[in-house]
Amino acid sequence: DAKTTQPPSMDCAEGRAANLPCNHSTISGNEYVYWYRQIHSQGPQYIIHGLKNNETNEMASLIITEDRKSSTLILPHATLRDTAVYYCIVRVERDSWGKLQFGAGTQVVVTP
Amino acid sequence: KAGVTQTPRYLIKTRGQQVTLSCSPISGHRSVSWYQQTPGQGLQFLFEYFSETQRNKGNFPGRFSGRQFSNSRSEMNVSTLELGDSALYLCASSLAGKITEAFFGQGTRLTVV
Repeated sequence: DAKTTQPPSMDCAEGRAANLPCNHSTISGNEYVYWYRQIHSQGPQYIIHGLKNNETNEMASLIITEDRKSSTLILPHATLRDTAVYYCIVRVERDSWGKLQFGAGTQVVVTP
Repeated sequence: KAGVTQTPRYLIKTRGQQVTLSCSPISGHRSVSWYQQTPGQGLQFLFEYFSETQRNKGNFPGRFSGRQFSNSRSEMNVSTLELGDSALYLCASSLAGKITEAFFGQGTRLTVV
């Protein structure tokens, strides 16, 4: 699986959009981009995933560049409950179904 | 529906002892994975089970083992505990064989003294 690079931390004001970048320059054509987050002392939580088209769900939007070498997770209206470590993961969906390779992630702190 | 349940939530053991942790996946999920999380190494994959068979294994010593039962419940065992085994152990379940997300439990916090 390709590796990802994320900034170690970022702050965001409550109510504003949080844009979390992820670099995955060695991604292969059959690898998906997944985002998870982990609130302190809890298990990771799935947020969203995509292959090459932009995706949106009730939690967030995922924007993947045309060359697929980077992506941005957007939390449209950050709340204090969004304070967490956010992980960007790339993986081949068909193989190693349960295996997720987590990096260091980005610690997001939402402030009032 | 009920989420992934891990028991116990907290555990304190002494060096040299062994420990067994339990994970009950979401109903209908047949894939169960285990992860170890420590401040120094982050989240690391231990192993994955599907239909009672180990499909994948991470880079951990043989002291770490697991199994899955016919009802998809899984246990992991750590023998001859070391101080470095102190960690949060997380279990995740998923529907195997299709594009999906993994659902994690709250974890078991193991402290080895």
